[in-house]
Amino acid sequence: GAVVSQHPSRVICKSGTSVKIECRSLDFQATTMFWYRQFPKQSLMLMATSNEGSKATYEQGVEKDKFLINHASLTLSTLTVTSAHPEDSSFYICSARDSQGGNQPQHFGDGTRLSIL
Amino acid sequence: AQSVAQPEDQVNVAEGNPLTVKCTYSVSGNPYLFWYVQYPNRGLQFLLKYITGDNLVKGSYGFEAEFNKSQTSFHLKKPSALVSDSALYFCAVRGRSGNTPLVFGKGTRLSVIA
Repeated sequence: GAVVSQHPSRVICKSGTSVKIECRSLDFQATTMFWYRQFPKQSLMLMATSNEGSKATYEQGVEKDKFLINHASLTLSTLTVTSAHPEDSSFYICSARDSQGGNQPQHFGDGTRLSIL
Repeated sequence: AQSVAQPEDQVNVAEGNPLTVKCTYSVSGNPYLFWYVQYPNRGLQFLLKYITGDNLVKGSYGFEAEFNKSQTSFHLKKPSALVSDSALYFCAVRGRSGNTPLVFGKGTRLSVIA
């Protein structure tokens, strides 16, 4: 079945550090990928929609200069949390949908737990 | 605007008993409906989807869901719960136009007690 690989699974770093998270679709092409953020015991909050070869579309309230998204190929999207601070600590999850089918489910990576000290 | 409601934060059921996790939705037009499961510190795993056709949809691990258009519901069910089914379950919806993202409910934590 369709697999989405997300790396790294866990990051612990100092305040002010920039952190890059990679999301890869392993056996399908994804024109669009999605980045979510999940707070403890809460649902997934869509941060942005990543489009291959064009700028990402950010949801209201999400700082595009803080959360840089690059979707350089049909199988890779990256999220960079720039100058991270403790309030950026969270569980970040990427998702991708096969480009070939409009009713295909979104497949999710295993998430990245980001802890900023 | 699309929205999903999961009215129960927590569902407890004894092992071997049937389980139901409720979901209602609001979307213009005919939706695509999904159920996902999340285990601790993991991403979401796809369980099943409703696109069109039979209202009863069968998915992974013995789960099924019934689409009810008049009640705008898509409840998740399983005839006999297992302890290993204990997890966080999310209902999701998206419209049929364009490449729109999923909209999730807040999640329901299922605990199956041996």
